[in-house]
Amino acid sequence: AQSVTQLGSHVSVSEGALVLLRCNYSSSVPPYLFWYVQYPNQGLQLLLKYTTGATLVKGINGFEAEFKKSETSFHLTKPSAHMSDAAEYFCAVFFSGGYNKLIFGAGTRLAVHP
Amino acid sequence: NAGVTQTPKFQVLKTGQSMTLQCAQDMNHEYMSWYRQDPGMGLRLIHYSVGAGITDQGEVPNGYNVSRSTTEDFPLRLLSAAPSQTSVYFCASSYSPGQGWNTIYFGEGSWLTVV
Repeated sequence: AQSVTQLGSHVSVSEGALVLLRCNYSSSVPPYLFWYVQYPNQGLQLLLKYTTGATLVKGINGFEAEFKKSETSFHLTKPSAHMSDAAEYFCAVFFSGGYNKLIFGAGTRLAVHP
Repeated sequence: NAGVTQTPKFQVLKTGQSMTLQCAQDMNHEYMSWYRQDPGMGLRLIHYSVGAGITDQGEVPNGYNVSRSTTEDFPLRLLSAAPSQTSVYFCASSYSPGQGWNTIYFGEGSWLTVV
């Protein structure tokens, strides 16, 4: 069955520290992978996506993610956290091959401390 | 979120009432879907459609109906509202995977409270 798992519902980092948000998926078909950010009382904003090609994907606001097929992972990183990065982050996976479903992880709330 | 319009933005229903959340897009997208967002559970897929006249169930379809009579519109119907359906609902649209699909557009959300 297709599934998306985000490890850690809450992550706390200091300003300037590395941000690492983890996402693993289960799929028998090649997936399309996404990271979204949601600020309080707002909608979803696309950070980055992987469909085909280069496995290291750069997105907005200094975020990047690497697709590792062997590990079925798509972890999100940012070298230096800013206070403005505090938000909830969602990993999403589109399962093709007849399934045609975009499934989200449960989300990770990122807190950034001064 | 340009192109995907959801209405209403806020709604309070009484248990047992019915209502329809409207979703419209003007980008000629074939793929449309409805999600609900609940704290700690992320977004869960309710129903989706890969084109006019074609719909399918997602992860949590019970209590909801959909139809897709046109490419532009994908309404979500709550037949008999229950407090468990209190949530934030998001509509999304995109091109189909076979058309080089890469970006999903979300509506701004509809906050529904069932009392």
